[in-house]
Amino acid sequence: QKEVEQDPGPLSVPEGAIVSLNCTYSNSAFQYFMWYRQYSRKGPELLMYTYSSGNKEDGRFTAQVDKSSKYISLFIRDSQPSDSATYLCAMNNNDMRFGAGTRLTVKP
Amino acid sequence: KAGVTQTPRYLIKTRGQQVTLSCSPISGHRSVSWYQQTPGQGLQFLFEYFSETQRNKGNFPGRFSGRQFSNSRSEMNVSTLELGDSALYLCASSSDGEAFFGQGTRLTVV
Repeated sequence: QKEVEQDPGPLSVPEGAIVSLNCTYSNSAFQYFMWYRQYSRKGPELLMYTYSSGNKEDGRFTAQVDKSSKYISLFIRDSQPSDSATYLCAMNNNDMRFGAGTRLTVKP
Repeated sequence: KAGVTQTPRYLIKTRGQQVTLSCSPISGHRSVSWYQQTPGQGLQFLFEYFSETQRNKGNFPGRFSGRQFSNSRSEMNVSTLELGDSALYLCASSSDGEAFFGQGTRLTVV
């Protein structure tokens, strides 16, 4: 079993839809949780960074962490074609571990 | 504030050669990590340096090595290149748990 599980998709939604991306993990020592967005041929860009369980909102993006269930989510409201990218979850204690990434396409 | 800078952006090498990649972290960041990204394996951790010392190492053969200088800049070296080393090599600089990536160096081994 991988330490971090993420459905690679691909996920295709119409413009304006709410997108839900999820990761589960097995190592309860992870303390920091991140979501990255990666466009084709670019490096990952940090979108959201959270430390504790609960929700964190930034514009159209909401990150949710449930440490008791070892489950994190990223919600994108009013999705736009420019949101089309691969989304990677990541978590950190001493070492950072990444999910496989979910490829998202938002169709106009 | 300048981001993470990786050079070169693209490289083509032949099997058996060696290659050196460079990473300049965000000013003030002392931790630099290297990752290999391939379509099949995703992002895989290579090693992390902090204050010129290797702090963590992933599961890669000894052909992959790195170092960090006193100004926190880091280099990664791959010797005796194999076709399977073709990948996007990413560097990330970290502070307080947050990691910021460079644009990567795309290495093609032919």
